[in-house]
Amino acid sequence: NAGVTQTPKFQVLKTGQSMTLQCAQDMNHNSMYWYRQDPGMGLRLIYYSASEGTTDKGEVPNGYNVSRLNKREFSLRLESAAPSQTSVYFCASSEYAGANTGELFFGEGSRLTVL
Amino acid sequence: AQSVAQPEDQVNVAEGNPLTVKCTYSVSGNPYLFWYVQYPNRGLQFLLKYITGDNLVKGSYGFEAEFNKSQTSFHLKKPSALVSDSALYFCAADPGGFQKLVFGTGTRLLVSP
Repeated sequence: NAGVTQTPKFQVLKTGQSMTLQCAQDMNHNSMYWYRQDPGMGLRLIYYSASEGTTDKGEVPNGYNVSRLNKREFSLRLESAAPSQTSVYFCASSEYAGANTGELFFGEGSRLTVL
Repeated sequence: AQSVAQPEDQVNVAEGNPLTVKCTYSVSGNPYLFWYVQYPNRGLQFLLKYITGDNLVKGSYGFEAEFNKSQTSFHLKKPSALVSDSALYFCAADPGGFQKLVFGTGTRLLVSP
C-alpha cells in the first residue's frame, strides 16, 4: 500500500518555466490537498479538493493552478515559476469530506528550486 | 486571522525525562486540534487529535496532548522521551471542520542520550 505518491521528488526550474507536480493516492480518499512548507512558516494550504470534480483556494493560491483529474489524482501546476515559489510541496489526502474531520496522510514531498 | 503559535523553535530534553512541546491557537469557534510529526526528508505523520470530550488526548508512540480552552492551548507531552522522538513537531487547527488546517511554524525536538 503506497499511500500518497508525489512526483517528481526534486526539480530545478528557471524563472518563467512551467511545470506540474503530480500526486496520487491509493486509499480511496475523498479529499486531497496541496501545501507548501517554507522555513519558519510551517505549512500553508495552496489548494484543496473536497471531492472529485471540485477544487478551492487555500491560503496562498496565487501563481498556482490545480486539477482533480479523478478520485486518485490531484496535480499542481506552476504556469510561470518565480523564485518565491522555491519551496517543499506536500500533497495530502483524507478520508473525510464536508463537516467531518479526519487525519491527513502526506506524501514525502517535492523539493522545487526556482533560479 | 486564524493562527497557531508554537513559541519554541527547539526543545532539548534528555532521554528518559518528560517532554512538553507548547502550542497555542487563535481560532474562532471550537476548532479541531492536531499534532503531526515530521522526520527528516519525510512527509508529516499524524500523532493525535482533539475533537471534543476529554481534555487529555492519547495518541501514537506514547504521546498525549492536553487541551485547555481557557488558555487556548494544546500542549504535546510524553512522560519519558526517547532519542528516536527527535523530529519536527507541528501543531495544527481546523477552524471549520473542513480540514483546511492552519499549521504552526513547528518545534524541533532534540532528545539527547
